[in-house]
Amino acid sequence: GENVEQHPSTLSVQEGDSAVIKCTYSDSASNYFPWYKQELGKRPQLIIDIRSNVGEKKDQRIAVTLNKTAKHFSLHITETQPEDSAVYFCAASLWGTSYDKVIFGPGTSLSVIP
Amino acid sequence: NAGVTQTPKFRVLKTGQSMTLLCAQDMNHEYMYWYRQDPGMGLRLIHYSVGEGTTAKGEVPDGYNVSRLKKQNFLLGLESAAPSQTSVYFCASRRRRQETQYFGPGTRLLVL
Repeated sequence: GENVEQHPSTLSVQEGDSAVIKCTYSDSASNYFPWYKQELGKRPQLIIDIRSNVGEKKDQRIAVTLNKTAKHFSLHITETQPEDSAVYFCAASLWGTSYDKVIFGPGTSLSVIP
Repeated sequence: NAGVTQTPKFRVLKTGQSMTLLCAQDMNHEYMYWYRQDPGMGLRLIHYSVGEGTTAKGEVPDGYNVSRLKKQNFLLGLESAAPSQTSVYFCASRRRRQETQYFGPGTRLLVL
């Protein structure tokens, strides 16, 4: 079945450094790739997403890149701050069809050390 | 506008007991989802619905049933709870023509 792998599972960075989280997906038909941030005890919240017809998208300190050929996509956070500490989930889906399933990665726990 | 709400927030069950989790959304979203979240496994789709009166199975549907009698509500039922169903359950919803899913606050379920 469809699968999304995510690495690393845990990541510690110093405040101000960059953080990179990488995901790979198995279903080459996937066309929508959201990233969610989940703070401890809270609900997942969308932070950025990318469609398969775009190679890169940026929103302030957050960027996502997509390599369709390699079936890889990555989240980049620059100038990290302590409030960036959370669990981050990538996901892949085949949006716009009757096959409406989003497959999530297992998550990356990011710690930003002040 | 409350968004997506879930009832209850926390529940303890004994093995074999039944219960229903309620998800409600006031955004007029067509699509609704039930996920379970377990440590190290991300979010896994249990069941979903693309409209009132319709439901479909996700990745891990066994042991659960759902109903979508009203557009704004999506119910998740456990007929005979098992310890393996101890988890945090999240409901989500979205508009048909938009990709973004909005999550509820979660229900923490402990089955003893």
